[in-house]
Amino acid sequence: AQKVTQTQTSISVMEKTTVTMDCVYETQDSSYFLFWYKQTASGEIVFLIRQDSYKKENATVGHYSLNFQKPKSSIGLIITATQIEDSAVYFCAMRDPASSGSWQLIFGSGTQLTVMP
Amino acid sequence: DMKVTQMPRYLIKRMGENVLLECGQDMSHETMYWYRQDPGLGLQLIYISYDVDSNSEGDIPKGYRVSRKKREHFSLILDSAKTNQTSVYFCASSLSTNNQAPLFGEGTRLSVL
Repeated sequence: AQKVTQTQTSISVMEKTTVTMDCVYETQDSSYFLFWYKQTASGEIVFLIRQDSYKKENATVGHYSLNFQKPKSSIGLIITATQIEDSAVYFCAMRDPASSGSWQLIFGSGTQLTVMP
Repeated sequence: DMKVTQMPRYLIKRMGENVLLECGQDMSHETMYWYRQDPGLGLQLIYISYDVDSNSEGDIPKGYRVSRKKREHFSLILDSAKTNQTSVYFCASSLSTNNQAPLFGEGTRLSVL
């Protein structure tokens, strides 16, 4: 069965530093898709970045990047030069079409990031 | 502007009443989703719809049903709401390709008293 696990419930960092949020997943297949979303204090859920499992290069978008370690079933989100407005809950999600036979997106439980001035 | 719109944003109902949550999108996305979010549990999939009248249960479908009669509109129905259905409900939509990240609506906060 598919599963996505985020063990870090909350993280606090100082502004302008780099933070890494962990995510591990379980899947039986070699082809799958991994996503990171951000949920702001207002409740809005925003897509940040995606990693396709068949790509060896780590995805990067703006000050977000991924540390994809396929043998460890791990997809970490790295935020460089953090800003106060990066404070939010970050969710990792996986789509494993072969196992689920669908476009179902499975979410982790989220990590609360607090960026302090 | 690409957007998923949910109505209403806030709703208070009494136990046993029927509830209708509505979701619309203007991007002609084939796939639409209903999730609920409870503290500490992340987002749990209730139903997924692949197109008009093509719906499948997610992980927690019990107590819910859905309706999709037009591609741009997806409804979540609670027949005889229960207090444990108090939650925040999110609708999302995406193109039907595996690497497309679903776009989420702003959510509906439902309280069942």
